[in-house]
Amino acid sequence: GESVGLHLPTLSVQEGDNSIINCAYSNSASDYFIWYKQESGKGPQFIIDIRSNMDKRQGQRVTVLLNKTVKHLSLQIAATQPGDSAVYFCAERPSGTYKYIFGTGTRLKVLA
Amino acid sequence: GAGVSQTPSNKVTEKGKYVELRCDPISGHTALYWYRQSLGQGPEFLIYFQGTGAADDSGLPNDRFFAVRPEGSVSTLKIQRTERGDSAVYLCASSLRGPLAIGTYNEQFFGPGTRLTVL
Repeated sequence: GESVGLHLPTLSVQEGDNSIINCAYSNSASDYFIWYKQESGKGPQFIIDIRSNMDKRQGQRVTVLLNKTVKHLSLQIAATQPGDSAVYFCAERPSGTYKYIFGTGTRLKVLA
Repeated sequence: GAGVSQTPSNKVTEKGKYVELRCDPISGHTALYWYRQSLGQGPEFLIYFQGTGAADDSGLPNDRFFAVRPEGSVSTLKIQRTERGDSAVYLCASSLRGPLAIGTYNEQFFGPGTRLTVL
């Protein structure tokens, strides 16, 4: 299948450690943000979302932090597992629009 | 139930030819999106359908690209006079409701994509 992220920044973490993936978004009018995981040959898969009226949201093993002051989004993955290896994208949606704008992505490699 | 499906999975064509890419969304999903993903890049928005109508087609790169969703379910992305720069993976996604809906109703489910190669 299509190989995703050949020239993307790469984060390598040891299995069991926590991972932090960062994203700078572009539009100060964005009010909704999503993190996606994409494995090679597959479409992106929803992980977690957050609205601009929040600064933190937790899911199962994942936490998203939003800093609107500096237009920064982060995804924290606790106890990283080999199955977490993939390319991770943040996406933003400017308020009142239907369009989702994706970032360039980060490849996460989990070392055994 | 079944997820979003896209056909064909791979399409190789020659420069100048016409191609059609098909998307079958999840049953009952009213919103449908097309994206294009080049190697090493994030998906790039092309068009959004709410029901049968294109609510936002601002991402279509030029008038060679056109998409339809005549019955509010299956959608076809059509590319005329293909160029080598059109080579990419074309992704389709659907969601239960549109992007302005509250809660989980706007979660997008992506298909595996169609890899288009223009020689």
